[in-house]
Amino acid sequence: GQQLNQSPQSMFIQEGEDVSMNCTSSSIFNTWLWYKQEPGEGPVLLIALYKAGELTSNGRLTAQFGITRKDSFLNISASIPSDVGIYFCAGRETSGSRLTFGEGTQLTVNP
Amino acid sequence: KAGVTQTPRYLIKTRGQQVTLSCSPISGHRSVSWYQQTPGQGLQFLFEYFSETQRNKGNFPGRFSGRQFSNSRSEMNVSTLELGDSALYLCASSPKTGWSETQYFGPGTRLLVL
Repeated sequence: GQQLNQSPQSMFIQEGEDVSMNCTSSSIFNTWLWYKQEPGEGPVLLIALYKAGELTSNGRLTAQFGITRKDSFLNISASIPSDVGIYFCAGRETSGSRLTFGEGTQLTVNP
Repeated sequence: KAGVTQTPRYLIKTRGQQVTLSCSPISGHRSVSWYQQTPGQGLQFLFEYFSETQRNKGNFPGRFSGRQFSNSRSEMNVSTLELGDSALYLCASSPKTGWSETQYFGPGTRLLVL
């Protein structure tokens, strides 16, 4: 089935640093979503993107829907310890099709 | 609005048994999707229900089945459990099915098969 390549797999950063992660697909997507999952919990929706080129922010988080519609990026500025978790991208190809998830980026923030 | 709720939160079963997991979507949401999450495989799509009908199905064996009730609550059943079925099972709801709809996840049911 459809696979999303998410990178990096893990990141170890210092508090205050900026973070960037991305997802790429071999197919064109109509929707890109970014989730964060903390231990023992389900993923929580951070940002939803619906148009190519769209740039959307949610506090210190900013995500972009790539122009080619085959990729998306998530940036976290001035990271803090509570940013720790696994960040997942997810995409949907067409109306009614299922979401496909990336394998996640494990973020560790050192105080 | 209450979020997606899943019961039970934790479950221990033995091989060969069967299990039923329950999901109550956000009020007003009509689409429910189920995912299996394991450390090695990430989030794997099981199936999606909308208005009591299965709309999409992932690549899982027939031991995995589901259903949705008229109030949009959904259940997932796994028969003849195997050790490899140990995972976090996540349910997600959205207002309706369609490319523009985002999904909201519940906390999951952690299943351990011994």
